[in-house]
Amino acid sequence: GAVVSQHPSRVICKSGTSVKIECRSLDFQATTMFWYRQFPKKSLMLMATSNEGSKATYEQGVEKDKFLINHASLTLSTLTVTSAHPEDSSFYICSASEGASGQETQYFGPGTRLLVL
Amino acid sequence: AQSVAQPEDQVNVAEGNPLTVKCTYSVSGNPYLFWYVQYPNRGLQFLLTYITGDNLVKGSYGFEAEFNKSQTSFHLKKPSALVSDSALYFCAVRDLQTGANNLFFGTGTRLTVIP
Repeated sequence: GAVVSQHPSRVICKSGTSVKIECRSLDFQATTMFWYRQFPKKSLMLMATSNEGSKATYEQGVEKDKFLINHASLTLSTLTVTSAHPEDSSFYICSASEGASGQETQYFGPGTRLLVL
Repeated sequence: AQSVAQPEDQVNVAEGNPLTVKCTYSVSGNPYLFWYVQYPNRGLQFLLTYITGDNLVKGSYGFEAEFNKSQTSFHLKKPSALVSDSALYFCAVRDLQTGANNLFFGTGTRLTVIP
């Protein structure tokens, strides 16, 4: 089946630094990738949708200048948390799908746990 | 607007007993429904999906879900629970009418199977 990887799986950083999280589709071409954030005791919240070669579409309330998303190739999308603060600590999950028709299954990465001190 | 409701935060069931994790949804068009499972400190794993066809969908690890259009429900079921089924379960929906590719998730239900 389709495999999506994320790197790193866990990262601890100091407040004010930037952190990059990679999301890769290992055995398929991901036309569309999604970034989710999981809050404790809450559901997954979609942060943004990215299509290869174009700018990401951010959900309302998500700061695009803080959460930089790049989808440079059909197998890689990156999320950069700029000037991280403790409130950015969370579990970030990416997903990828092969098309953009709305009928493709999304395959999820294992997630990245970010802790900002 | 799309939405998903999982009315139970926690479900406890004895090993070997049948389990049900409830999910209701709201979409403007036809729904594309999913169940995902999340084990501790890990990402989501796909269990099953419904888009059309038989209302009873069979998925991974012996799970199945029943689509009920009149009740707008998509409850997850398993005839005999295993301790290893203990995890967090998410129901999700995509609205085919809008053409949007993103999923709307419920808040999750934590399933605990008691030995």
